[in-house]
Amino acid sequence: GENVEQHPSTLSVQEGDSAVIKCTYSDSASNYFPWYKQELGKRPQLIIDIRSNVGEKKDQRIAVTLNKTAKHFSLHITETQPEDSAVYFCGAGGGNKLTFGTGTQLKVEL
Amino acid sequence: KAGVTQTPRYLIKTRGQQVTLSCSPISGHRSVSWYQQTPGQGLQFLFEYFSETQRNKGNFPGRFSGRQFSNSRSEMNVSTLELGDSALYLCASSSEGRGPLEQFFGPGTRLTVL
Repeated sequence: GENVEQHPSTLSVQEGDSAVIKCTYSDSASNYFPWYKQELGKRPQLIIDIRSNVGEKKDQRIAVTLNKTAKHFSLHITETQPEDSAVYFCGAGGGNKLTFGTGTQLKVEL
Repeated sequence: KAGVTQTPRYLIKTRGQQVTLSCSPISGHRSVSWYQQTPGQGLQFLFEYFSETQRNKGNFPGRFSGRQFSNSRSEMNVSTLELGDSALYLCASSSEGRGPLEQFFGPGTRLTVL
């Protein structure tokens, strides 16, 4: 089955800096790669996703890149703000089965 | 549209007991997935139901089971509870279409096994 590894497990940045979270996956059949943000005590919410026919996708301050050959994808957050502090999960899969990484605790410091 | 709801929100059980958790998907969504969330392990996939049929299953023991009703509501059951079953159980629903679609998560049920 699919195996997703996510790094780093914790990330601390200064407000205004960029943050990058990386994930690798094992199943070449995976064609859907979402990123979820989970604030403390709240449910995970989708912030951006990318499909295997696209190499990069951007939505305001967040962007995701996908390298299918190397089987890795990354989340980029620019101009970080305190409200970006949360746990971020990457996922990989297809259809209705998603395998998630173990999460990255992002802390944006003032 | 109302979001995904889960009941109960909190549960405390003792080892050896069994528990049933409920998930109501967004209206019109027919796929319901269940995940176990623990610190350090992230979100681990339990199973996914569509039209009352289990389509996908994760690597959990047979003590974990589920079902889906004709109105797409889903239940998850854990029998013979163990301390390690303490976790946040999340369900997520999605609509059916061409290709994978966004999963919408519920607030979760926090299960504590004593």
